[in-house]
Order: sequence, then structure tokens, then C-alpha cells
Amino acid sequence: DAKTTQPPSMDCAEGRAANLPCNHSTISGNEYVYWYRQIHSQGPQYIIHGLKNNETNEMASLIITEDRKSSTLILPHATLRDTAVYYCIVNNSGGSNYKLTFGKGTLLTVNP
Amino acid sequence: GAVVSQHPSRVICKSGTSVKIECRSLDFQATTMFWYRQFPKQSLMLMATSNEGSKATYEQGVEKDKFLINHASLTLSTLTVTSAHPEDSSFYICSARVSGYTQYFGPGTRLTVL
Repeated sequence: DAKTTQPPSMDCAEGRAANLPCNHSTISGNEYVYWYRQIHSQGPQYIIHGLKNNETNEMASLIITEDRKSSTLILPHATLRDTAVYYCIVNNSGGSNYKLTFGKGTLLTVNP
Repeated sequence: GAVVSQHPSRVICKSGTSVKIECRSLDFQATTMFWYRQFPKQSLMLMATSNEGSKATYEQGVEKDKFLINHASLTLSTLTVTSAHPEDSSFYICSARVSGYTQYFGPGTRLTVL
């Protein structure tokens, strides 16, 4: 599975868009980009995933660059409840028994 | 969306006792469930992959005789920490695979061994 690099922490003002970057320069053609988040003392929460095209759901948007070497998770209107550690994970769908390998992630702090 | 529950949410036990943690998928069937452990200020570490009806696959360094995993049905997996010691105190989290690499996670179980 490809390695990912994320900034250790970011701040965002409440109501503004939060843009969380992720670098995955060694991603291969059949590897997906997944995003999860973990609010303090809770289990992680699935947010979104994509392969090549940009994706959007009720929680967030995922923008993947054309060369697929990086991506950005966008929370359009961050709230205080979005304060969490955000994990970007790259996996080969169908390989490794679908295991997820969590890195250190980005601690997003949404400030009032 | 899919819901995964864990029980208990918090447990305190004496050193040397065994503790069982249950993980249930409430509104879907999960052929594959996973067990993670998280120490304070660290990321999640996968302990084992549990497939319904077969033996669990443990990650390197995880003692299978100490952390017993049973996945007897499509909605229930259990983790038993045998002869628990203070160093086993941690946050244990289960998840159930929905599709692809999409997993839904339980709320976690805080284990404290005195």
C-alpha cells in the first residue's frame, strides 16, 4: 500500500472551509484514497473515498489531482464538532484482506 | 448508515483476570471484522482480522493466545483479553467491513487493568 504524508495539525475558523491535504506520490493505478476521522475518545468514522474522479457526499468533498499524487479533503463549512484527527489512507482494493493502515493523521482544530 | 456497537464501553479489571469485548454490526452482516488497539496519543494499530467462520489472522507481534477472537456469526465478533495485565490497558476498537476498504467502527472499549 502506498505511503501518505499529512501535516500534523491545522486550524480552521468555524463556518469556513477546511482543506486538508494529503500527499501520496507513490500511489499505484488501482489504489483508492480513503479518508476517515476520529473524534477524541471515539471510534473512527468513514468520510469518503475515491479513485480518480472528485467525489462529494453529505460530509465532504474529495479532490484528487490529475496525476493522483495528492488529494485534498474539503469540509465546506467547518463546525466545532469537526474537530478531530483526519486520516488519509491509500489502499489497493482487493488486496491485503482489506486492512486499513492508520498513520498519524492531521489534527484539525476548528476555532470559534 | 451502518452501525457497529461495542460492549462494554468501559471496563476496569484486576490483573490476571480475563475480559471479553463484544462487537456487533446492528443493521448489516459483516463477513469481515477487525480489532484495533490505540494507546494514548497514538494512532490505531490493527491487531487482527476476523472472518466469520474461520480463524482470525493476527498481525505480527500480537499474541493470539492472549487476545482470543471469535467471529461465530455475521453480526458478532468477540475479543477476549486473557490474563490481563496493566500493560494491556488501552482503547480497543472494532470495525466491520461494509465494502471495499469502507469500514464502520464501533465506539471503542476503554480497558483499565489494575
